[in-house]
Amino acid sequence: NAGVTQTPKFQVLKTGQSMTLQCAQDMNHNSMYWYRQDPGMGLRLIYYSASEGTTDKGEVPNGYNVSRLNKREFSLRLESAAPSQTSVYFCASSEPGQGGDGYGYTFGSGTRLTVV
Amino acid sequence: QKEVEQNSGPLSVPEGAIASLNCTYSDRVSQSFFWYRQYSGKSPELIMSIYSNGDKEDGRFTAQLNKASQYVSLLIRDSQPSDSATYLCAVNKMNTGNQFYFGTGTSLTVIP
Repeated sequence: NAGVTQTPKFQVLKTGQSMTLQCAQDMNHNSMYWYRQDPGMGLRLIYYSASEGTTDKGEVPNGYNVSRLNKREFSLRLESAAPSQTSVYFCASSEPGQGGDGYGYTFGSGTRLTVV
Repeated sequence: QKEVEQNSGPLSVPEGAIASLNCTYSDRVSQSFFWYRQYSGKSPELIMSIYSNGDKEDGRFTAQLNKASQYVSLLIRDSQPSDSATYLCAVNKMNTGNQFYFGTGTSLTVIP
């Protein structure tokens, strides 16, 4: 089925360890996003890539890096994990809006990350 | 001030009733408005989008937008137990790379 694929689905890290979350979409979308979701905080944007070759910070970028490897793939890296990064991470993709009208996101299934 | 605000609920309605979910946004330049449904432990899924003032209907769902009041709502008619989920309101603004700002969601329970 077409959509957004995230790996891994679950991960437990020790403080200070690093890891990369992978995301790939097969809908030929130009824009891709990484969000984190925490109880009471809603979905918050970490980084986004409006098109291949570009990346920009979102609301909560500290402690993360991203790579837009090609049009399909957008990875999120935690260089030195901290307990505050315990969260559910969602990757999403969309087409950018035309004339100011945005298009809805398609979300991946999420990565549940625990940092101990 | 948060970009998007929703009443977290929980909101409970009996099966067959109309569920009304509300959302306000702070920035008048917001362009597009979306409602997502999220079941527990799952990812959000898009159910409605609305760009212009007024109502937009899709099956049992109606989205309502009032840009003057900076208010968007979702009505679910003939509510079913399968509608029990958290509903997220999202807005985006022009020239932001299609960034969405999400509310914290309203939890809806439909009682059989």
